[in-house]
Amino acid sequence: GQQVMQIPQYQHVQEGEDFTTYCNSSTTLSNIQWYKQRPGGHPVFLIQLVKSGEVKKQKRLTFQFGEAKKNSSLHITATQTTDVGTYFCAEKKSSGDKLTFGTGTRLAVRP
Amino acid sequence: KAGVTQTPRYLIKTRGQQVTLSCSPISGHRSVSWYQQTPGQGLQFLFEYFSETQRNKGNFPGRFSGRQFSNSRSEMNVSTLELGDSALYLCASSANGDQPQHFGDGTRLSIL
Repeated sequence: GQQVMQIPQYQHVQEGEDFTTYCNSSTTLSNIQWYKQRPGGHPVFLIQLVKSGEVKKQKRLTFQFGEAKKNSSLHITATQTTDVGTYFCAEKKSSGDKLTFGTGTRLAVRP
Repeated sequence: KAGVTQTPRYLIKTRGQQVTLSCSPISGHRSVSWYQQTPGQGLQFLFEYFSETQRNKGNFPGRFSGRQFSNSRSEMNVSTLELGDSALYLCASSANGDQPQHFGDGTRLSIL
């Protein structure tokens, strides 16, 4: 099935290091959402970006929506072991459209 | 507010059987979406129901079907089960489909 590309697929960092995952779409999007799934858990909504060039912050997490509304990134500053999990972007091309999840980036953190 | 509830949590079936999974959304949410999650394919969209109508559909064969009731509860049915249907099936509800999705814990289906 069609999915949104995310890179990297997997990243292993030392606690305290920064982490970034990127999400790229081939089309202009209505909005993009980010979810986190802990091991053994279900995806949990983090944030929604709607405007071109939008930047939102949640404590150590910074989310960006590209100017062309085709790409997005999630940056975590000074990772902690509680950040472990898989981060998914999810795109919506238009209102009422289905939500298509990215391939996900799995983050492992060495204490 | 109660979250999204999926039943059963675990299910073991054999090839050729059929299965029905249930999802109760958050109260007041009218949109229910279903996803299949496997290690190799990630989160794949199955379908979305809104006000008892299928609004969006993913690229799955006709063996996968669903419905939504007037109280927004949804069921998903898979007929003629295949080994490749083994997966975690996640249900998510949203107020109107464009709002953030809230996921249930999923039903883990194993096909023997």
